Amino acid sequence: AQSVTQLDSQVPVFEEAPVELRCNYSSSVSVYLFWYVQYPNQGLQLLLKYLSGSTLVKGINGFEAEFNKSQTSFHLRKPSVHISDTAEYFCAVSDRAGTASKLTFGTGTRLQVTL
Amino acid sequence: KAGVTQTPRYLIKTRGQQVTLSCSPISGHRSVSWYQQTPGQGLQFLFEYFSETQRNKGNFPGRFSGRQFSNSRSEMNVSTLELGDSALYLCASSRNPGLAADTQYFGPGTRLTVL
Repeated sequence: AQSVTQLDSQVPVFEEAPVELRCNYSSSVSVYLFWYVQYPNQGLQLLLKYLSGSTLVKGINGFEAEFNKSQTSFHLRKPSVHISDTAEYFCAVSDRAGTASKLTFGTGTRLQVTL
Repeated sequence: KAGVTQTPRYLIKTRGQQVTLSCSPISGHRSVSWYQQTPGQGLQFLFEYFSETQRNKGNFPGRFSGRQFSNSRSEMNVSTLELGDSALYLCASSRNPGLAADTQYFGPGTRLTVL
């Protein structure tokens, strides 16, 4: 079984400032890692995913995440946020030996960008 | 290419009633998964369908059921509605069932309110 912990439920940040959203996971098996974003009244959109290879993963909208196996973390970063980045962000894992559908999500981090 | 579509977008029901939600996956996607999203429990996996067969099921009571048609469209049904079933129900489709690394594409969800 896997579990995902998103340490911050809300992160307020000023526009053009950098941001880091934290994600830690626990699993007895190897996992793939994902970050999804949910804008108000919308479904989830994939930002990026880590499958293998380089531990630094670049995604859409200028986001990137770094996989740290020893710390079982997959933190999401953006060097300069925009008002339009205001949304809820979800970290998720899936069992490498499982099927695509069994995503286990964290509880989400609400990013609030202000002027 | 059209995304995942879900109908209806909003539903209001009363306790004891039953409800059916519909999901049309992205063209060419053969796997459909359903998730329940609530403020208290977050995003939880309900079930996955592929080739008209349920392949995976989450920890939900038997009141929650689903099916998939030959054109990959899926429906989920909730019988004997309870207040706690109020949630956003998200459908996701993926191209390669059985591939845990595959991206799931989410629809906008159906907001169910049980009074």
